[in-house]
Amino acid sequence: RKEVEQDPGPFNVPEGATVAFNCTYSNSASQSFFWYRQDCRKEPKLLMSVYSSGNEDGRFTAQLNRASQYISLLIRDSKLSDSATYLCVCNTGTASKLTFGTGTRLQVTL
Amino acid sequence: DTEVTQTPKHLVMGMTNKKSLKCEQHMGHRAMYWYKQKAKKPPELMFVYSYEKLSINESVPSRFSPECPNSSLLNLHLHALQPEDSALYLCASSQDAGFLYEQYFGPGTRLTVT
Repeated sequence: RKEVEQDPGPFNVPEGATVAFNCTYSNSASQSFFWYRQDCRKEPKLLMSVYSSGNEDGRFTAQLNRASQYISLLIRDSKLSDSATYLCVCNTGTASKLTFGTGTRLQVTL
Repeated sequence: DTEVTQTPKHLVMGMTNKKSLKCEQHMGHRAMYWYKQKAKKPPELMFVYSYEKLSINESVPSRFSPECPNSSLLNLHLHALQPEDSALYLCASSQDAGFLYEQYFGPGTRLTVT
């Protein structure tokens, strides 16, 4: 079983739609969680950190369920510029090692 | 400002060449990282420096040699690479090492080994 699992997609949604991605992690010792977005041939950019049960930033909401070991990302009112790959990332312990999921690709269309 | 810079943007090198990748941050971060990313795959951690000392080496072949000359700079020296080492090499930094700290990535160096 992979340490961090994501549905690769692609998720094709129209502009204005709400879309949700889920991510599961296997290591119950994971203590902090992040969502990054990555555009084609660019670096990952930090989207949100999720340290407790959840976090909201504008159109983006991240939730953490420790009991079930999953993290979700909800995007409301999708925009064309949201088209990217979304990476779910967990950090385990004090070693600063980030474990990346393989990413979920989102394509927002007109 | 959460900027990490990397040079060069692109690099083509032969298998007998020696080259270096450079990374710089001026955010006062004390942890810096090298990652390797192949197409359609997530980034893979290579090295972690904490307070200018190497703290993690993810069993990376010795043809990759990291160096941290000071708290703002991180280099990756390359020698006798193989074609399968062609990838995007990403540098990242965080305020400190430890699970609370977010990592910020540079734009990467796209390396091609011929």
